[in-house]
Amino acid sequence: GAVVSQHPSRVICKSGTSVKIECRSLDFQATTMFWYRQFPKQSLMLMATSNEGSKATYEQGVEKDKFLINHASLTLSTLTVTSAHPEDSSFYICSARDRGRLYEQFFGPGTRLTVL
Amino acid sequence: GQQVMQIPQYQHVQEGEDFTTYCNSSTTLSNIQWYKQRPGGHPVFLIQLVKSGEVKKQKRLTFQFGEAKKNSSLHITATQTTDVGTYFCAGPSNFGNEKLTFGTGTRLTIIP
Repeated sequence: GAVVSQHPSRVICKSGTSVKIECRSLDFQATTMFWYRQFPKQSLMLMATSNEGSKATYEQGVEKDKFLINHASLTLSTLTVTSAHPEDSSFYICSARDRGRLYEQFFGPGTRLTVL
Repeated sequence: GQQVMQIPQYQHVQEGEDFTTYCNSSTTLSNIQWYKQRPGGHPVFLIQLVKSGEVKKQKRLTFQFGEAKKNSSLHITATQTTDVGTYFCAGPSNFGNEKLTFGTGTRLTIIP
């Protein structure tokens, strides 16, 4: 149980285009989802917290208009990188909390974004 | 803001040797979690410690939460090649908060 999927797993796009990443909890309801960014050989940096039916809470320094987050249902959250540039290239990982388990986060497999 | 540091940053060990990573938080934590990330993979939850001084074991892995609830350690006995990866500790950003601050991580490589 507690499986989280992410799509796509890998995307290459041209500078200036927008990319949407989906995060789904497959077998549980996720009241809260988190979006992280990870640079090579570095730790996970929290970008935003997404709660179903409400606006996402962004961490300091993360541009809301750049990284649009929508949490439309208890099983789906999306991250849209708008007008992507090469510096946005990174590994984006989502995680979800099962309302039945207080602290544990279940991570998706990640999306590797490369902006040319 | 809260900082969670881990040492060492890298550790290379001979297969069969023991390995320990240490985690230190700048603030008191309500709980500490440990995750493992294999190369090219995503973090996988290992364990959560809640009580001061708590020690938990999972086969060859021993996790400890400090008395002051600001530090933790993960010890692996007799490492195997399957232990390769980066080990992260993580604690709530604020006491009781659901957001996690991840440690800097310790990358373990095994020499066969």
